Amino acid sequence: AQSVTQLDSHVSVSEGTPVLLRCNYSSSYSPSLFWYVQHPNKGLQLLLKYTSAATLVKGINGFEAEFKKSETSFHLTKPSAHMSDAAEYFCVALNYGGSQGNLIFGKGTKLSVKP
Amino acid sequence: DAEITQSPRHKITETGRQVTLACHQTWNHNNMFWYRQDLGHGLRLIHYSYGVQDTNKGEVSDGYSVSRSNTEDLPLTLESAASSQTSVYFCASSVATGVTGELFFGEGSRLTVL
Repeated sequence: AQSVTQLDSHVSVSEGTPVLLRCNYSSSYSPSLFWYVQHPNKGLQLLLKYTSAATLVKGINGFEAEFKKSETSFHLTKPSAHMSDAAEYFCVALNYGGSQGNLIFGKGTKLSVKP
Repeated sequence: DAEITQSPRHKITETGRQVTLACHQTWNHNNMFWYRQDLGHGLRLIHYSYGVQDTNKGEVSDGYSVSRSNTEDLPLTLESAASSQTSVYFCASSVATGVTGELFFGEGSRLTVL
């Protein structure tokens, strides 16, 4: 069955240090993968998406993610954390040919940024 | 600017009452979705619609209904609210062309059922 696993429920970093949020997926097909961000008391916003073009995807606010088929991973990174990055991040998968009613959300990783 | 709005943002109700959460989008998107967000579960799909008069059940549709009479609105109704339906509800919309997975979310409606 298709699934998305976010390996950490909570990640804490210091401002100015790198961010790594890990996501693994399982899929019978080549998936489309996304990262969404949710700031407190807000809706989700798309950060970036992978749809079988370049395996390194750049998103908004300096975030990027690399699709690694051999590792079934789509980890989110940022070279230098900012206080405003504190939020919850969701990895999302869509099977090839699947409808948007078949988006699979990970359970989220809460990112804390310490001054 | 186009947007998607939910109302009310906060509601407290009693077990057994009917509750309707409104969702209105001005993106002119054909696709609209309702999710609930609970700790430890992430987002789970309740109902979705690909156009006027089209509705489909999601993963956790029991106890919920939707109707789509126009492009802009997809109200979510809890026929008889239960404490298990205490949650934060998000409405989302997307364009119909291409299956990109890019959703535009409202800011959520926090529902408490006592």
